[in-house]
Amino acid sequence: EAQVTQNPRYLITVTGKKLTVTCSQNMNHEYMSWYRQDPGLGLRQIYYSMNVEVTDKGDVPEGYKVSRKEKRNFPLILESPSPNQTSLYFCASKRRQTPLTGDIQYFGAGTRLSVL
Amino acid sequence: QKEVEQNSGPLSVPEGAIASLNCTYSDRGSQSFFWYRQYSGKSPELIMFIYSNGDKEDGRFTAQLNKASQYVSLLIRDSQPSDSATYLCAVRNQGGKLIFGQGTELSVKP
Repeated sequence: EAQVTQNPRYLITVTGKKLTVTCSQNMNHEYMSWYRQDPGLGLRQIYYSMNVEVTDKGDVPEGYKVSRKEKRNFPLILESPSPNQTSLYFCASKRRQTPLTGDIQYFGAGTRLSVL
Repeated sequence: QKEVEQNSGPLSVPEGAIASLNCTYSDRGSQSFFWYRQYSGKSPELIMFIYSNGDKEDGRFTAQLNKASQYVSLLIRDSQPSDSATYLCAVRNQGGKLIFGQGTELSVKP
């Protein structure tokens, strides 16, 4: 089954304790991305990756790091989490756009993070 | 001005009615337009995409695009309680970036 898998689904942590949220896709997609979703603000892109070893900042990259050492994995790292990073996080991936498939982005199930 | 704007709602319609969801965008060079459905606590799910001016129909869903007026809409015919969700409009702008609106909450009352 084609899917984007995030772990953990729920996480409660304390300020300053480094954490990693993993993301893996089994569709051989080149493009992967991380979003955060907050009430009233919609989905905002944190980082994205066009391919292995190629990453770039999105709209809200401060306080986050990513890496793309393998095509299937795109972990999100919070080196020193703060309460303002409490949010719902989504990983997404997509293949190259074609007229038939469109520009379809597949989302993981989400990770709800609370930083105390 | 936000790049992609939607009314946050909630939009309430009776079962069986047509639900009309609207979205406006600011980048006139935008090329691709998407509607995602998101149930509470779940991930967004793509339901429609449209590139060309006019209508695109898929079952009970119709996407309408008017590039001159810079709006895209989603019509849901014969609305069902299971359609109750937040609908996200997303626009890929001229620079290739996918921008999401904040979403419109739809409630279909039995």
